[in-house]
Parts: sequence; C-alpha cells; structure tokens
Amino acid sequence: EAGVAQSPRYKIIEKRQSVAFWCNPISGHATLYWYQQILGQGPKLLIQFQNNGVVDDSQLPKDRFSAERLKGVDSTLKIQPAKLEDSAVYLCASSPGITSTDTQYFGPGTRLTVL
Amino acid sequence: QQQVKQSPQSLIVQKGGIPIINCAYENTAFDYFPWYQQFPGKGPALLIAIRPDVSEKKEGRFTISFNKSAKQFSLHIMDSQPGDSATYFCAARERTDKLIFGTGTRLQVFP
Repeated sequence: EAGVAQSPRYKIIEKRQSVAFWCNPISGHATLYWYQQILGQGPKLLIQFQNNGVVDDSQLPKDRFSAERLKGVDSTLKIQPAKLEDSAVYLCASSPGITSTDTQYFGPGTRLTVL
Repeated sequence: QQQVKQSPQSLIVQKGGIPIINCAYENTAFDYFPWYQQFPGKGPALLIAIRPDVSEKKEGRFTISFNKSAKQFSLHIMDSQPGDSATYFCAARERTDKLIFGTGTRLQVFP
C-alpha cells in the first residue's frame, strides 16, 4: 500500500512570497490532516478535513494560510504572504476513520525555509 | 490546560538499556494517549496508544504506563537497540478530537 505522498520535499522562499504544498493521501482514507512542526516542537494541527469538508481549522492562521481538499482526495496548503516564523516542516496525514483515535499515517513532510 | 509536557528533551542509553520517556498533562478531559516515533526526514508513525481506563499496555518491546491520578504517562523501551534511535512524541486527544503533541524526546541508543 502506497503511503502519504507530499511535494515538494523542500522549499526555500523569501518573506512575503507565496508557497503551496501538495498532499496525496492513502487511497480511500476519509480524513486528511495538515500539521505544522516547528524545529524542536511536536506537530501542531492546522486543519482537518473529512472527505472534502473542513472539520477543524481553529488553529489555521486564516489571514495568510488556506487549504482545500479537491474532490475529497488530494489537498493543497497555501501560505500567502509567508513570514519568517512560518519556517517549519508541514506534515500531511491521512486516516481511514473519522476520529483521531484512528491511526494517522503521516507523509514525509515539506521543509519550508523562509528567508 | 491544553499542554502535554514531555521529558527529557534528549536521552542517551547503551544497547540493552531501558529508556523511559515521561509525559504529564493537566486536562482531565483528555481520553486517548498515543506515542509516535519519528526518524529523521520521515513523518511520525504511531507506535502504541492507551486509554485512561488501562494502567499499562505492552506491544513487543514498547510499554506504556499510565497513572490517571497523577495525570502522567510514560513510554518504556525494553532491550533498546540502535535502530530505536529516533525522536519520540507523546500526545493526548482533547474533547474536540484534536491531538495535542508533546515537544519530543530525542533518543540515541549506542551499540
């Protein structure tokens, strides 16, 4: 079974530029998560989708971050404009179930550096 | 209230040793406590999880001990191996179904 795919793996941009990350979850998984992992910290949930609907985006900085899940499958996370403090690894995870007690399968992440 | 405090930040043991990683929480509404293992350049992977009605859970060489009254839980790795070298995160599920992660423990196991 193929795992969660993410691209790009690395991205370097200057502050105030925009950037987009892509995630392809495991086939058939209903729930998709985007996490932000700052160096030395644990992952922090940004947004959770169930199929193509948003379940939780309470920690998403909506003035600069946006996300969508196309047809309940792939997802993109966008930052516009980026700030220095957005430097982090952005992790996508998917789960076959609809609660966080169902195993979340993480992708390798996209490491973003904002200069 | 929403934090999960994890310690130590880093841990070095010799092969065969039993590293212990501790986590503490305040929110009594937390009801599910997973541990994740993360290798460099990879995403976290679920290792083992426990619910608060159980005091201990064992899977292979990994054991979670849970103390509900003290609001603490810990991960023990028996007969640790160099391949166990990774960063370990504890987490807790809050009422909104969100997982709150600890800050991570970097474990190094030397041969």
